[in-house]
Amino acid sequence: EADIYQTPRYLVIGTGKKITLECSQTMGHDKMYWYQQDPGMELHLIHYSYGVNSTEKGDLSSESTVSRIRTEHFPLTLESARPSHTSQYLCASSEGKTDTQYFGPGTRLTVL
Amino acid sequence: KNQVEQSPQSLIILEGKNCTLQCNYTVSPFSNLRWYKQDTGRGPVSLTIMTFSENTKSNGRYTATLDADTKQSSLHITASQLSDSASYICVVSDRGSTLGRLYFGRGTQLTVWP
Repeated sequence: EADIYQTPRYLVIGTGKKITLECSQTMGHDKMYWYQQDPGMELHLIHYSYGVNSTEKGDLSSESTVSRIRTEHFPLTLESARPSHTSQYLCASSEGKTDTQYFGPGTRLTVL
Repeated sequence: KNQVEQSPQSLIILEGKNCTLQCNYTVSPFSNLRWYKQDTGRGPVSLTIMTFSENTKSNGRYTATLDADTKQSSLHITASQLSDSASYICVVSDRGSTLGRLYFGRGTQLTVWP
């Protein structure tokens, strides 16, 4: 079981609200990732980070932003949520040797 | 275009039976291939990882094979259990960037019935 945590697990909010999805890992991994996954579909990379103060956009365009002030913490923020943001958001981290990614349990976001 | 295709999309088997899931990919240059298990409402968990030189890898009742020439992989599950019900995702990594870009399949949804 990987030591990577996401909160909240489920979130239902109204349009226009600002939200932050939390992700923390205690494995000391430098690389961290955010994925978006719709039911029955593949994971899409939306953000990644090589380390502190390093963030990059992934393959799927996203209106969300991320920050990496501490190694263990990689929060994702939506300034103004919309129904199109409804999805599952998965956070992951990886070690340098194998680059195997360890995933958190995910946050299921519903925007009404 | 780099892609990962999995089949079947869904599969139902009886407890105790074996099954094989397929993954075809067009990713190039190839670095490694992973199989992940994703339980409903959870994040994926790595089952196996294979590099170009490996053609089989086992993890308990899970055995993955890789044919790098035909760009095909399979995941064989032996003596299935109810807890095997999950989505199984094939993930291929390329060597085209420092990040090692990952290409995800859509998964095979396996349901094991008692």
